Amino acid sequence: EIVLTQSPGTLSLSPGERATLSCRASQSVSGSYLAWYQQKPGQAPRLLIYGASSRATGIPDRLSGSGSGTDFSLTISRLEPEDSALYYCQQYGRSPYSFGQGTKLEIK
Amino acid sequence: QVQLQESGPGLVRPSQTLSLTCTVSGGSISSGDYYWSWIRQPAGKGLEWIGYIYYSGSTNYNPSLKSRVTISEDTSKNQFSLKLNSVTAADTAVYYCASGETRGYSDYWGQGILVTVSS
Repeated sequence: EIVLTQSPGTLSLSPGERATLSCRASQSVSGSYLAWYQQKPGQAPRLLIYGASSRATGIPDRLSGSGSGTDFSLTISRLEPEDSALYYCQQYGRSPYSFGQGTKLEIK
Repeated sequence: QVQLQESGPGLVRPSQTLSLTCTVSGGSISSGDYYWSWIRQPAGKGLEWIGYIYYSGSTNYNPSLKSRVTISEDTSKNQFSLKLNSVTAADTAVYYCASGETRGYSDYWGQGILVTVSS
């Protein structure tokens, strides 16, 4: 099983700043099959990014994904209060399709 | 747009079978357009992929649960289901049904259902 390690565990930033969230895989993720989700308290996850860099429907271009192999990142520019949430990466290149443990983004 | 809704008992006794159903609207589970998945999340913890069912009933399960899991479909009701047998307290979680056009990730999610395993 591919283990995904996300860092940092918690990120605290101010509105207008840029956040960079990291996701590192224990093995190379084939085809850059890496997705990012946002989850707010009491809600289901929401797909943000798939294929490492493609935005899902309705996702603003303030959010961008990058990376390949074992190192991936999600960047959120011009932070807004509504970006406060948990963020998970998921690899779907090899079954079982594992998730990272999450990064909590706090907007001060 | 696909919409999903989980249903089933919120309390299951240890060693019994957890059974959940996901009712789909806005898409047909028999069309081959989507993968239909189950994912769970223990309170305060991360997400765990359980498995999916696809066109004509093909399935793929997480090996960590494979011996206890069955995902099936009822095309007449446009539903798919999860059965997890021999449950323990470690199976207590919010269970989500989800769907995606591509194998592995999910565009659409149900709201989730909390299942507690307790005597």
